[in-house]
Amino acid sequence: KNEVEQSPQNLTAQEGEFITINCSYSVGISALHWLQQHPGGGIVSLFMLSSGKKKHGRLIATINIQEKHSSLHITASHPRDSAVYICALTPYTGNQFYFGTGTSLTVIP
Amino acid sequence: KAGVTQTPRYLIKTRGQQVTLSCSPISGHRSVSWYQQTPGQGLQFLFEYFSETQRNKGNFPGRFSGRQFSNSRSEMNVSTLELGDSALYLCASSYGQTAGANVLTFGAGSRLTVL
Repeated sequence: KNEVEQSPQNLTAQEGEFITINCSYSVGISALHWLQQHPGGGIVSLFMLSSGKKKHGRLIATINIQEKHSSLHITASHPRDSAVYICALTPYTGNQFYFGTGTSLTVIP
Repeated sequence: KAGVTQTPRYLIKTRGQQVTLSCSPISGHRSVSWYQQTPGQGLQFLFEYFSETQRNKGNFPGRFSGRQFSNSRSEMNVSTLELGDSALYLCASSYGQTAGANVLTFGAGSRLTVL
């Protein structure tokens, strides 16, 4: 049973395209994280959110608590956005940390 | 300020040996959490520490253990290594008490290969 489901698994886009990555979950959460992992392994935390919407540069993250769904949007995509994007969450019980399987994004110049 | 430092970055062990990995958090961060990443299972939560106390633990066997020192540095140990323990081990630090409820800063990881 997967508490976190991400889609799509793989995504190829042309430079400049608008990109959406989706994350659905099945448990009540206290927080949801979007993480970015480049080849080589390093992980960067992009957003942590528990409601509403957050924006940082060309990245936007939204969450709908009632529908148990979050999206990560990338506007005007660039080849440097090529990475694996991972959704992670902490349930209300707070004693675990669940990860999605990741979305591998490739942006072609 | 310095980021999260993990050592060693790469290591090779044989089955049955044990390994200790180290994580130095960002100055001022008192929470350290550990994760295992494999191609088959993806990222999985191992455990987290706050003020030298283990707060939460993932679903891993007792061969996986950890501790945190008074300066917030943390170590994790894997005993009786198995081939399936080959993975990238990541640690993250955060300011607050619960890793999942705070913004995390990750280290570069320690890549363990078990032969």
